[in-house]
Amino acid sequence: SQQGEEDPQALSIQEGENATMNCSYKTSINNLQWYRQNSGRGLVHLILIRSNEREKHSGRLRVTLDTSKKSSSLLITASRAADTASYFCATDHTGANSKLTFGKGITLSVRP
Amino acid sequence: DADVTQTPRNRITKTGKRIMLECSQTKGHDRMYWYRQDPGLGLRLIYYSFDVKDINKGEISDGYSVSRQAQAKFSLSLESAIPNQTALYFCATSAAGTNYNEQFFGPGTRLTVL
Repeated sequence: SQQGEEDPQALSIQEGENATMNCSYKTSINNLQWYRQNSGRGLVHLILIRSNEREKHSGRLRVTLDTSKKSSSLLITASRAADTASYFCATDHTGANSKLTFGKGITLSVRP
Repeated sequence: DADVTQTPRNRITKTGKRIMLECSQTKGHDRMYWYRQDPGLGLRLIYYSFDVKDINKGEISDGYSVSRQAQAKFSLSLESAIPNQTALYFCATSAAGTNYNEQFFGPGTRLTVL
């Protein structure tokens, strides 16, 4: 399976702390995306990083990509209680006809 | 109004019944997708369509069928529902002609098969 694997499966932090989530994948990609899902709701796109990029920022989000290790990390700085959600990495694999492969998700809990 | 809508939002049905889940979008996207989400398994692709005349099977298409009635509408059918099809179902869209394939999701349909 090409499915990405996120790590950890669950993360609990205090408000104000940084949250780091990791994703690994197996085959080459065109890009890697991170999505957020609030409980029982649809996924919302957060950020995309292309295979020729190493780091991107968007507000309090920072994503890195290491294609040699086939891994990515998502950092949320200065977390807030409202960041409590599930986070998914999704990979657009080379030759996959633009389909995304989603990981199983990371549950982030931010304690007030 | 939401860009991607799904109806119904919740449905309880019995084994053997035929069920249709509907998805509509106002984003003008050519590409549409159906996923199911089960606890601990993430999202799995059921079917996808890159334009009105294009239908493709995804990872878990057995027991499902789809219809792309128009650019804006993509329906998922369960011909004879079974309990292990109980899940949260999502429709998504993306724009053709880009390299990035960012997807936009509907709010989901929670389906329970008794």
